Amino acid sequence: DTGVSQNPRHKITKRGQNVTFRCDPISEHNRLYWYRQTLGQGPEFLTYFQNEAQLEKSRLLSDRFSAERPKGSFSTLEIQRTEQGDSAMYLCASSLEPELEKLFFGSGTQLSVL
Amino acid sequence: AQSVSQHNHHVILSEAASLELGCNYSYGGTVNLFWYVQYPGQHLQLLLKYFSGDPLVKGIKGFEAEFIKSKFSFNLRKPSVQWSDTAEYFCAVNPSWGKLQFGAGTQVVVTP
Repeated sequence: DTGVSQNPRHKITKRGQNVTFRCDPISEHNRLYWYRQTLGQGPEFLTYFQNEAQLEKSRLLSDRFSAERPKGSFSTLEIQRTEQGDSAMYLCASSLEPELEKLFFGSGTQLSVL
Repeated sequence: AQSVSQHNHHVILSEAASLELGCNYSYGGTVNLFWYVQYPGQHLQLLLKYFSGDPLVKGIKGFEAEFIKSKFSFNLRKPSVQWSDTAEYFCAVNPSWGKLQFGAGTQVVVTP
């Protein structure tokens, strides 16, 4: 499968713990996005990278959230001191010029904070 | 506030019926508009997009959408749905390069 890959698929954690998610975009896609989706809502933009540079962060991304894409390939999203309100599906997507707006989404990581 | 509104959260219809899903946005200036679809058990994928030119755009699987600038709308249509069109449909706006803002989605169920 050469699509966007996200790991893990599911994560259950206790409140206050740190969690890290990984996203492997489609090879050679220079744009990588993180979105969050809760039940009954559409995906909410969190942040995006152009190669290894993080170009925009949503105000939804509090100080407890950090994302990296160190070599311009895979990306990680870390949530520190998780809260119950962080429970959501975390989606990764990637795209490639010239069709930057054509996002290819992964299956997501479902986070449950108990 | 900038937003994307989808009029219906759930739509149930029979095969061969016509489908129209409403989408309104509240951004000033030039925007790019999209419909994404998520079939059961699958990833979100692009259905169609509008950047400029002909306000009636055609996408995959017989879907089309019409951009009406004066109404800030980008409604999705399909003249005759099939059972395989059962999915969740998301309208999205790209007010600036780099991010899409999605509506809440409309769950469409097509009954045989």
